Amino acid sequence: GAVVSQHPSRVICKSGTSVKIECRSLDFQATTMFWYRQFPKQSLMLMATSNEGSKATYEQGVEKDKFLINHASLTLSTLTVTSAHPEDSSFYICSAISPGLAGGPETQYFGPGTRLLVL
Amino acid sequence: EDQVTQSPEALRLQEGESSSLNCSYTVSGLRGLFWYRQDPGKGPEFLFTLYSAGEEKEKERLKATLTKKESFLHITAPKPEDSATYLCAVIMAAGNKLTFGGGTRVLVKP
Repeated sequence: GAVVSQHPSRVICKSGTSVKIECRSLDFQATTMFWYRQFPKQSLMLMATSNEGSKATYEQGVEKDKFLINHASLTLSTLTVTSAHPEDSSFYICSAISPGLAGGPETQYFGPGTRLLVL
Repeated sequence: EDQVTQSPEALRLQEGESSSLNCSYTVSGLRGLFWYRQDPGKGPEFLFTLYSAGEEKEKERLKATLTKKESFLHITAPKPEDSATYLCAVIMAAGNKLTFGGGTRVLVKP
């Protein structure tokens, strides 16, 4: 299957600083990537849709000025958590859409996730 | 409102004890249903895509089936390494966003 990487895998930062997380599709081009957030023992919550060359689309309740998304190329999307606070501590996961087979829907392949801890 | 519901929330199995996980959905215009496996501290791993009612897919000890209202993930003779959270997600005719169910946490004891 298609491979999606994330960097870093874990990050600890001080309150008030900004943190950038990278998401890369390694063996395919992805015009669309997604960013999710996951709390312990809960399912994935979609934060935003990242489209190459255009502005991201944010889900209701997600602050676009706090979670900056840039999709500068067909293989890279970045999520920057600005002025991070302890409540932003979470597991952030990206996914990228790979073309479907035989006219079927595309498949989303997920990165390994980034654990963010804000002190 | 589109909904995806998975049951049970948690499942404890003895090694070799086959079982099934359920994913029921109420969406308009289903375009595809996806099963993922997620291990603790990792991102979801793609397992299957099902497109239409009656379709079945198999991979090792896992078999996914689809009807017009639900999907089942059958685990045959599970092993401890099958322990994980299994996530079901659907994609509708319009758009490309996945709607996830709450997941089923499976624990297989040796």
